[in-house]
Amino acid sequence: RKEVEQDPGPFNVPEGATVAFNCTYSNSASQSFFWYRQDCRKEPKLLMSVYSSGNEDGRFTAQLNRASQYISLLIRDSKLSDSATYLCVVKGNGQNFVFGPGTRLSVLP
Amino acid sequence: DAGVTQSPTHLIKTRGQHVTLRCSPISGHKSVSWYQQVLGQGPQFIFQYYEKEERGRGNFPDRFSARQFPNYSSELNVNALLLGDSALYLCASSFFQGEETQYFGPGTRLLVL
Repeated sequence: RKEVEQDPGPFNVPEGATVAFNCTYSNSASQSFFWYRQDCRKEPKLLMSVYSSGNEDGRFTAQLNRASQYISLLIRDSKLSDSATYLCVVKGNGQNFVFGPGTRLSVLP
Repeated sequence: DAGVTQSPTHLIKTRGQHVTLRCSPISGHKSVSWYQQVLGQGPQFIFQYYEKEERGRGNFPDRFSARQFPNYSSELNVNALLLGDSALYLCASSFFQGEETQYFGPGTRLLVL
């Protein structure tokens, strides 16, 4: 089983739609969780950290369920500019970050 | 302020050759990590260096090596290149080891023929 798993998609949604991505991780000792965004042929960029209490940044909401080892990202009112690959990232006791394979989102006009 | 810079941006090599990739972290950042991203996959951790010492190593063969210099820049070396080494190689910097936020450079695209 891979350490971090995501549905690769693609998710094709119309502008204005709400879309949710899920991610599961296998290492129960993982301590930090993130969502990164990667545009085509560009480097990954931090979108938001994920906290146990859940956190929101504008149209983006992230949730963490430690018991189920599950992370989610909700995007409301999708924009064309949200089209990208969304990477779920987990950091354990060690210093390295473990990336999921990414979920591709296409927001259509 | 300049972000993380990497050179070269693109590289074409043949099987069996050697390659050196370079990374300059954000000014003041002392930790550099290297990742390999194969097409369609997420980045895979290769190495982390902090204060010129190796602090973490991913599941990569000994053909992969790296070092960090006194100015905190870093090199990734890959010997005896294989076709499967074709990938985007990303460098990420952070201020200190263990910091939650890391900043990625634009990467070096390596094609092995």
